[in-house]
Amino acid sequence: SQTIHQWPATLVQPVGSPLSLECTVEGTSNPNLYWYRQAAGRGLQLLFYSVGIGQISSEVPQNLSASRPQDRQFILSSKKLLLSDSGFYLCAWRTLGQGDTGELFFGEGSRLTVL
Amino acid sequence: GQNIDQPTEMTATEGAIVQINCTYQTSGFNGLFWYQQHAGEAPTFLSYNVLDGLEEKGRFSSFLSRSKGYSYLLLKELQMKDSASYLCAVLDSNYQLIWGAGTKLIIKP
Repeated sequence: SQTIHQWPATLVQPVGSPLSLECTVEGTSNPNLYWYRQAAGRGLQLLFYSVGIGQISSEVPQNLSASRPQDRQFILSSKKLLLSDSGFYLCAWRTLGQGDTGELFFGEGSRLTVL
Repeated sequence: GQNIDQPTEMTATEGAIVQINCTYQTSGFNGLFWYQQHAGEAPTFLSYNVLDGLEEKGRFSSFLSRSKGYSYLLLKELQMKDSASYLCAVLDSNYQLIWGAGTKLIIKP
């Protein structure tokens, strides 16, 4: 069966510090991978998605970046965090092959607080 | 532009029935999803509709009318654990998921 894991679960960082959130998927090949951010009480904002190794599409211009060094690994980074980067970050995957509905499967989430 | 509307918050009583509505305007349609999200947790899949009609799964049912751009999630025999946010999302013509802001459901004893 397929699983997705992201870490760390909770992070408290000072303004201007770097960030690295990691996500790995097991049990599937060539998944589409996604990073979302959710502000408190708000909906999901798509940050980045990837359809293959080294292929990253950015939906929102900001000081965040994403990388996909391996097929089932997706990393969200920042060189210098801003207060506005605080939020709940979710990694997700899906496949869009024949018979797939397009359902997204989410990781556990990472709560980032920038002070 | 693409838009999904759902109520911000609803309140219901334990044991009762509640209907959460979702209307959408998207570039094409390839299916509609409902997810449940408890506070501080990731969303979990509830239902998927691609054809008109009602899909029933235990205490939860989801309805779709493509001609009206409308769906609802029906929760029966409400339990306290159903207190959560319910997210409506539509798969557009490019197979991108367009998300509603979510409906926070509060269950009172």
